[in-house]
This record gives sequence, C-alpha cells and structure tokens, in this order.
Amino acid sequence: GAVVSQHPSRVICKSGTSVKIECRSLDFQATTMFWYRQFPKKSLMLMATSNEGSKATYEQGVEKDKFLINHASLTLSTLTVTSAHPEDSSFYICSASRTSGGPSGELFFGEGSRLTVL
Amino acid sequence: GENVEQHPSTLSVQEGDSAVIKCTYSDSASNYFPWYKQELGKRPQLIIDIRSNVGEKKDQRIAVTLNKTAKHFSLHITETQPEDSAVYFCAASPNNDMRFGAGTRLTVKP
Repeated sequence: GAVVSQHPSRVICKSGTSVKIECRSLDFQATTMFWYRQFPKKSLMLMATSNEGSKATYEQGVEKDKFLINHASLTLSTLTVTSAHPEDSSFYICSASRTSGGPSGELFFGEGSRLTVL
Repeated sequence: GENVEQHPSTLSVQEGDSAVIKCTYSDSASNYFPWYKQELGKRPQLIIDIRSNVGEKKDQRIAVTLNKTAKHFSLHITETQPEDSAVYFCAASPNNDMRFGAGTRLTVKP
C-alpha cells in the first residue's frame, strides 16, 4: 500500500514561534495533498488542499497567512503554523491521494502531528 | 460544498452483536464513500469503501450500503469484537475533495 510519512509526530513550542510540519508520500507521487486539523474527540476538519506547483486552496475560515502551505514537489507538502498561539494547539494530519482530478480515490494518511503551544 | 452528517456519535454494543452507523450527504456529485477507523492517537485507516455505481459491498464482517436516491450510506459490522472499538468516520467525495462525518465512537463490551 501507499505510505505517507508525517514529521514531527509531536512538537512543543513557545507562543509566537513558527512550526513546520512535513508530509511526504514515500512510494508514490501525490499531486494533491490535504491538511486536516482534529480537536480531541472531534472529526477531521479540512483546512486546505495542497496542489503541487500551485497555491493551496484554503477552506472558509482558515487563515492562509497563519497556516502556510507549500507543495514544492510531488512527494512533499509542508504546513507552517506561523506565530503560533495556544489556541493553535491541536492534532494536524495530512493525507495524499494518488489521483488528481477524475474519479475519487483512497486517501492515505500521515501519522499526524500533535502541536502544543505553551 | 459537501456536508456529511453521521449518527450516532457514540455506540456501545455487546461483543458478538452487530453495529450500524449511518451517514447522509448533501452533494449529489459525490461518487466515492469511504469509511475510516481511527484508534486513539493514530492515523485513520480505510476499512471499506463504495462507489456510486454500487449499492452494497461486503468484506468479511464489514459491509457498506449506499442509497444514492436518499443520499445516505451505512456501515454494518457483524459479530463485533473488542478490537473493533474505535472511532469510525464516514466520508463523501465529489471529485477529489473529501469531507468527513463527525465520527462515531464504537465501544464493544466483552
């Protein structure tokens, strides 16, 4: 099966600092990657859709200047939480699909990154 | 955009009983309906999926049914086991955009 690796799995940072989370597809090319945020005992909330070589598409209510997404290659997308504050503490998960456009396909999820902002 | 509703939010069953989780979706363009299982602190894992050209799909103890007219689909787990305890998410996908339901926390009591 397809493998998506996410790093770091846990990060603790001070308020005001920026944190970068990486999402890699290890054995396939992912034209599209997705970033989700998950609060405790809650569902996966889509933050943005990341397309290789173009700007990310953000969901309504998600601050694009706060959550910077870069999809520089077919196997790597990064999420940078800028000037993090305690309310940004959450579980962030990326996923990737093998297909781009056309019929939908299975999403492969990273391990998730738990961010704690002190 | 697509809106997915999932019920119940929590479900507790006795080992060996069946469990049913139901979801509805709003976008008639949705053509792919996966179900994910997420254990505490872990990534969601696909357990079964169905496409809009099929009404039912079964894989051992797990089955999914789809009613396109009514825009709802359901997950059925038979002969439940304690290791089935987890949070289950349904999702609906028009093209390459996937939206998740709120999740159902299933507890299987030994």
